[in-house]
Amino acid sequence: QQQVKQSPQSLIVQKGGISIINCAYENTAFDYFPWYQQFPGKGPALLIAIRPDVSEKKEGRFTISFNKSAKQFSLHIMDSQPGDSATYFCAAKYSGAGSYQLTFGKGTKLSVIP
Amino acid sequence: GAGVSQTPSNKVTEKGKYVELRCDPISGHTALYWYRQSLGQGPEFLIYFQGTGAADDSGLPNDRFFAVRPEGSVSTLKIQRTERGDSAVYLCASSSRRAGDEQYFGPGTRLTVT
Repeated sequence: QQQVKQSPQSLIVQKGGISIINCAYENTAFDYFPWYQQFPGKGPALLIAIRPDVSEKKEGRFTISFNKSAKQFSLHIMDSQPGDSATYFCAAKYSGAGSYQLTFGKGTKLSVIP
Repeated sequence: GAGVSQTPSNKVTEKGKYVELRCDPISGHTALYWYRQSLGQGPEFLIYFQGTGAADDSGLPNDRFFAVRPEGSVSTLKIQRTERGDSAVYLCASSSRRAGDEQYFGPGTRLTVT
């Protein structure tokens, strides 16, 4: 059972454009939603995270939009740069007692072309 | 400060052999996680430690997999009678709070079983 569905699988964006990656989750108990960035041969790096009590969170060029009723959240990368080319993973977690694992989507490979 | 470190970075072993993978968490982080990432997939949870004890080992695929954290810091993931299907990148993460919402990953160990 895939609890976090991520799309698209791959994305090509021109330099300066907006990259948008979408995720949908099934478990309404999830209450923490991070995004990770992973370069080849490296571990995932925490980029930005949101909780359901807010609909949007912005950090620099990265914004998470969250729609609790639709059980969806998305990552927007403004002014995309070639250095942003990486694989991005959304994840979800339930913060209550007895649950500690992150459940990840399958990833989106972003290529930003000059 | 220093991040999560993992050794070795690469491990090639023959089918049926025993392997140990080591994780050094961020200093002071009490929570430690192991994940496994197959090619083209997101990380999948294996086991969680709070201090020295395994609080959740529900992600371990079978009894060939075992992990320890005897002094509450360094952890070792042990795989007995390795199979080709065990080939993957094994990631370790740590966090500073008991609930562990923000998890910081190491670079991973790429295990190849021939």
